[in-house]
Amino acid sequence: QVTLKESGPTLVKPTQTLTLTCTVSGFSLSTTGEGVGWIRQPPGEALEWLAIIYWNDGKRHSPSLKTRLTITKDTSKDQVVLSISNMDAEDTATYYCAHVNSSGWFDYWGPGTLVTVSS
Amino acid sequence: QLVVTQSPSASASLGASVKLTCTLDSGHSTYAIAWHQQQPGKGPRYLMKVNNDGSHTKGDGIPDRFSGSSSGAERYLTISRLQSEDEADYYCQSWGTGIWVFGGGTKLTVL
Repeated sequence: QVTLKESGPTLVKPTQTLTLTCTVSGFSLSTTGEGVGWIRQPPGEALEWLAIIYWNDGKRHSPSLKTRLTITKDTSKDQVVLSISNMDAEDTATYYCAHVNSSGWFDYWGPGTLVTVSS
Repeated sequence: QLVVTQSPSASASLGASVKLTCTLDSGHSTYAIAWHQQQPGKGPRYLMKVNNDGSHTKGDGIPDRFSGSSSGAERYLTISRLQSEDEADYYCQSWGTGIWVFGGGTKLTVL
């Protein structure tokens, strides 16, 4: 059974760096074809893809946020970490991590974590 | 640029059927898409992938009331025998070389 769960701060100040962790189970981050992505959703708005990391450490980033995003994985801990630098009020959102299957779509989602950016 | 477009809202009566549409841009009209359901206050849930030929691959435990189809650049999600719990936002998602995109979502109201 594939599960994912996000964790991290619920409140960050403007200009700070946000670091979120996705802890996975039911699959291994070292297995060929596996990937984990991050997606966010501002209150009342649509989903927005942020970044993906694959089993082979291949990474993809949203072009609009590429300069602010860092995605890494720790296979031994079954964790994927997303960092977003220079946070702003517009980054207030629920952040989700999701499993990316070998064919490329998201097929399992975490419950999400709400992050508010405010001084 | 890969773009998927959805109507913002749809409605149908309890027990009826509804067909939601996701439209791919003309340069990516043969791409597959995935449908995700987001019930009020909850995270998204994967429903199915719909291919260009209309074949689809459902997620775990998705009822037979949910089906997918395709025509040209349009990908559809049909929900039959609507239930109150089907009232939700439905997002389509596609992917290409190094990019993943979501549509703006369709808010389904069950009357």
